[in-house]
Amino acid sequence: GIQVEQSPPDLILQEGANSTLRCNFSDSVNNLQWFHQNPWGQLINLFYIPSGTKQNGRLSATTVATERYSLLYISSSQTTDSGVYFCAVGRDDYKLSFGAGTTVTVRA
Amino acid sequence: NAGVTQTPKFQVLKTGQSMTLQCAQDMNHNSMYWYRQDPGMGLRLIYYSASEGTTDKGEVPNGYNVSRLNKREFSLRLESAAPSQTSVYFCASSLSYQETQYFGPGTRLLVL
Repeated sequence: GIQVEQSPPDLILQEGANSTLRCNFSDSVNNLQWFHQNPWGQLINLFYIPSGTKQNGRLSATTVATERYSLLYISSSQTTDSGVYFCAVGRDDYKLSFGAGTTVTVRA
Repeated sequence: NAGVTQTPKFQVLKTGQSMTLQCAQDMNHNSMYWYRQDPGMGLRLIYYSASEGTTDKGEVPNGYNVSRLNKREFSLRLESAAPSQTSVYFCASSLSYQETQYFGPGTRLLVL
C-alpha cells in the first residue's frame, strides 16, 4: 500500500499560535483526506483535498499532488483544536492508508 | 439525522467468545468501512463494502467476517476473539470511494 508519513509526531502550542502539519506520501494519489480525532475519540473529517487549496474557518489545507505532500494549517489555535490529526490517502480504490498522526496540544 | 451509529460502545470478551459489532448510517451512502485503531497508530482497514451486496478485504481482515445487511447496515463479526483483537473499532461511510468518509463514535473492545 501507499506509505504515509506525518510530521511532526507531536506539537505543543500556546493558544493563539499558528502551526503547520505535514503529510508526505509515497505514490500518486487521487484521494486525500484530513481528519481530527478529539480527546474523546471522535473522528471528524476536516478536508477532502486530493489537490489544490481549501479553507474552512481557521483551518486550511494545501495538497501538491505532483510533489506528494499535503499541508494542514491551523491559525489562531484554540484549546478545542487539541487532539490527533490524521492524513489518509488512496488511489483508484476504496482502501485509504492512514498516517500515524500528529498529536496537537494547545495550552491556554 | 444521526449520521453513523455503532453498537455497542464498549465490550469485554473472553478469549474464544464471539460477538458482532453493528453499524448503521442514515446518509444514503453507498460505501461502508470497518477500521481498527491500536494505541499510537493510525487506522487500518479491516473490510469494506463498496455497495450493497458486495464486501472486500482490507489491510487486516484475518479473524473477522462482515455482512452488508442492506444499504444502511454493515456488521463486523469476530468468530473466536483473541487478545490481539483488543482495539477500538470504527465504522465509516461515504457516497463512493473518492468522497468524504464519515465516522461513527467507535466501539472499544477488550479481549481477556
